[in-house]
Amino acid sequence: SQQGEEDPQALSIQEGENATMNCSYKTSINNLQWYRQNSGRGLVHLILIRSNEREKHSGRLRVTLDTSKKSSSLLITASRAADTASYFCATDKKGGSEKLVFGKGTKLTVNP
Amino acid sequence: NAGVTQTPKFQVLKTGQSMTLQCAQDMNHEYMSWYRQDPGMGLRLIHYSVGAGITDQGEVPNGYNVSRSTTEDFPLRLLSAAPSQTSVYFCASRFGTGSNQPQHFGDGTRLSIL
Repeated sequence: SQQGEEDPQALSIQEGENATMNCSYKTSINNLQWYRQNSGRGLVHLILIRSNEREKHSGRLRVTLDTSKKSSSLLITASRAADTASYFCATDKKGGSEKLVFGKGTKLTVNP
Repeated sequence: NAGVTQTPKFQVLKTGQSMTLQCAQDMNHEYMSWYRQDPGMGLRLIHYSVGAGITDQGEVPNGYNVSRSTTEDFPLRLLSAAPSQTSVYFCASRFGTGSNQPQHFGDGTRLSIL
């Protein structure tokens, strides 16, 4: 069963705007990761945030984690057409599982 | 480094045929895994391995077999293909067995079962 669920399923914005995607999960976690998938390609790791972290930045990416609400958000600032892709969150389960469970993804379209 | 290499990129099979999807990584990663990606379903874990000689089932293992005789290779076998196995298959690897490491993905094998 899915651990993480992204919201919205699809998002269309104009170049230069910010894009925010959300991920909710069901059980306590050790880490949460965000990945990007360009059409026809494999997933590429973007950022990992640990359960004891609240916010993390990487370039134009900002990830927040609220363990009390079991949710995370990915913010892409000043979006570009090249950011058009699907974005997935992935979680483990607190308690030692090595498995990483992915959500269904948010499809982001950035219009030039 | 080539990273994670999957072959073939595309394959069409008839129901009942068998085949092996190949996955190789050159990063000396201990952990390797197979996912399938279907429209609207995201990625679902099929099998995974924490090291040579060790494999375990994921969320959707039925109809698939795996083995891990070397650190580099993690093939996925379909013993008797069914139309429900039409999907895009991704292999991934990561350093160490802990979940605090990023996973590296291949570009997938697009499999159609007629």
